Amino acid sequence: IVLTQSPGTLSLSPGERATLSCRASQSVSSSYLAWYQQKPGQAPRLLMYGATSRATGIPDRFSGSGSGTDFTLTISRLEPEDFAVYYCQQYVSSPLTFGGGTKVEIK
Amino acid sequence: QVQLVQSGAEVKKPGASVKVSCKASGYTFTSYYMYWVRQAPGQGLEWMGIINPSGGTTTYAQNLQGRVTMTRDTSTSTVYMELSSLRSEDTAVYYCARRASPGRNPYYFDYWGQGTLVTVSS
Repeated sequence: IVLTQSPGTLSLSPGERATLSCRASQSVSSSYLAWYQQKPGQAPRLLMYGATSRATGIPDRFSGSGSGTDFTLTISRLEPEDFAVYYCQQYVSSPLTFGGGTKVEIK
Repeated sequence: QVQLVQSGAEVKKPGASVKVSCKASGYTFTSYYMYWVRQAPGQGLEWMGIINPSGGTTTYAQNLQGRVTMTRDTSTSTVYMELSSLRSEDTAVYYCARRASPGRNPYYFDYWGQGTLVTVSS
């Protein structure tokens, strides 16, 4: 399953809303989709799983939605620590695959 | 607390092999499958394979079949990833990542190692 993330780069200011898209080449049934955040020089960090469930310790400004082939990660109000690269990952079938990433940068 | 601690950076020549380790602590090592994921410089994430720390069974990405070997040592709670016949395209950060719950089907990852940079250069 190929995951296509858009946009490639999102330039926003702190306090703004970020909307990131992940589109799958075929249906991701049971919403077997996860989101990760990665900062420079660090390993990815799990944000969301099951498309809509926040991982432990993730603040509620992060939310996920979608089903089938279209999924969205929303950050309601960007904090300085949220500027990073975000990846989606499907785990409905093997091989598991990742999207190409969306970079959220400070405008 | 769960920790995955990987071995240090490596520099290898084309055609050589590299073996990266990932030592787990803070949980029952044999209960959770471990994955390996790599990331070329400035690129996205690529799944390499998976190992069952209990029985040692493995599944590898098709594009790495024949070059990658994953093993484990239950006495030290360590998994290993060895990649042979290295080429420049294998230059990447290699991560181990724990399946978020017991089971064998594809899943997401709750804990990651810190990453090991492998540089392939003549």
